[in-house]
Amino acid sequence: GQQLNQSPQSMFIQEGEDVSMNCTSSSIFNTWLWYKQDPGEGPVLLIALYKAGELTSNGRLTAQFGITRKDSFLNISASIPSDVGIYFCAAPFGGSQGNLIFGKGTKLSVKP
Amino acid sequence: DAGVIQSPRHEVTEMGQEVTLRCKPISGHDYLFWYRQTMMRGLELLIYFNNNVPIDDSGMPEDRFSAKMPNASFSTLKIQPSEPRDSAVYFCASSLMAGTYNEQFFGPGTRLTVL
Repeated sequence: GQQLNQSPQSMFIQEGEDVSMNCTSSSIFNTWLWYKQDPGEGPVLLIALYKAGELTSNGRLTAQFGITRKDSFLNISASIPSDVGIYFCAAPFGGSQGNLIFGKGTKLSVKP
Repeated sequence: DAGVIQSPRHEVTEMGQEVTLRCKPISGHDYLFWYRQTMMRGLELLIYFNNNVPIDDSGMPEDRFSAKMPNASFSTLKIQPSEPRDSAVYFCASSLMAGTYNEQFFGPGTRLTVL
């Protein structure tokens, strides 16, 4: 079935460093989403991408919708301790905008 | 806005017992989703409702799991009988049908431990 492969699985970085993570699939998607999950909470939508090649920013976060529509990338600039959490990519599938498939997540740890 | 409300936040039960998880979606949202999160399998969609009607329950693991939405402001996910492998965090999410993508708002989750 459809699958989203996220990498890396985890990252340990120093405060102030930039972060890059990506999400790939063998399937084509028309929408890519990036969520963040804080410990003990549910995921929260960070950025939604709707068009191949689209580059969208949300503060220090920038996400890109890959040209092939089979991948997406998330960058965080100048990381701070509150960036700690798990970042998930997700995409709607099955012809329904409500039915989401999620990647396994990238766990980010930031050392002050 | 109170957001999506789930109860209980934590549940510990013994194998064989019935477990009922509860969700109150955001008022006015017409989609409701139940997810399960485990280390091994990540976040999986179990079932979702539109206007209180179940649309897709293909993610429900087996007959021990059932979900209902008797009205627009309440849904339950029931496991009977529960097994240790059901231990996971269960999330409820809701969304409003509008636009290109319908953002899903997640509740805080229910952490279920089956001993």
